[in-house]
Amino acid sequence: EAGVAQSPRYKIIEKRQSVAFWCNPISGHATLYWYQQILGQGPKLLIQFQNNGVVDDSQLPKDRFSAERLKGVDSTLKIQPAKLEDSAVYLCASSLDVQGGKLFFGSGTQLSVL
Amino acid sequence: GEDVEQSLFLSVREGDSSVINCTYTDSSSTYLYWYKQEPGAGLQLLTYIFSNMDMKQDQRLTVLLNKKDKHLSLRIADTQTGDSAIYFCAEISFYNQGGKLIFGQGTELSVKP
Repeated sequence: EAGVAQSPRYKIIEKRQSVAFWCNPISGHATLYWYQQILGQGPKLLIQFQNNGVVDDSQLPKDRFSAERLKGVDSTLKIQPAKLEDSAVYLCASSLDVQGGKLFFGSGTQLSVL
Repeated sequence: GEDVEQSLFLSVREGDSSVINCTYTDSSSTYLYWYKQEPGAGLQLLTYIFSNMDMKQDQRLTVLLNKKDKHLSLRIADTQTGDSAIYFCAEISFYNQGGKLIFGQGTELSVKP
């Protein structure tokens, strides 16, 4: 079974630039999550999708972050414009259902904002 | 609000037991989880415990839950160098449309040969 795929693996940009991350969840997983993991901290949920609808985006900084999951499968997360404090690993995860805690994580995209 | 606390570092010798501790705040959490993160990788679910249990054993892993004190621990028996990683405790917080995991800051386990 293929795992959660993310790209790119690494990204370096300057502040005020834009960046996008892509995620393809495990086939058949209805729920998709984007987490932000700052160095030395645990992952923090940014947004949760159930199929192509948003379930929770309460911690997404909506003035600069956006995410979509148009066909209920893969998803993109965008930051525009980036700030220095956005430097982090962005993890995508998927699960079979919206209520569970059994998440499957991708390897993440490490973003450095200079 | 929800909060999960863990100690940041633990160092043990190969073959010893490791005990990683965690405290949580949401008493309505039905499940509590332990995830493992190896360098450069995403998180991997290790084990979980239902809140009406006080212990769960899974091969070298033992999870203990003290619901009264909101304290969770993960014991790894016969710790190996391959167990070196960051271990995250997580509680599940429910809201109208579903649940979300709240992670602790992680405990970095270092296993010395």
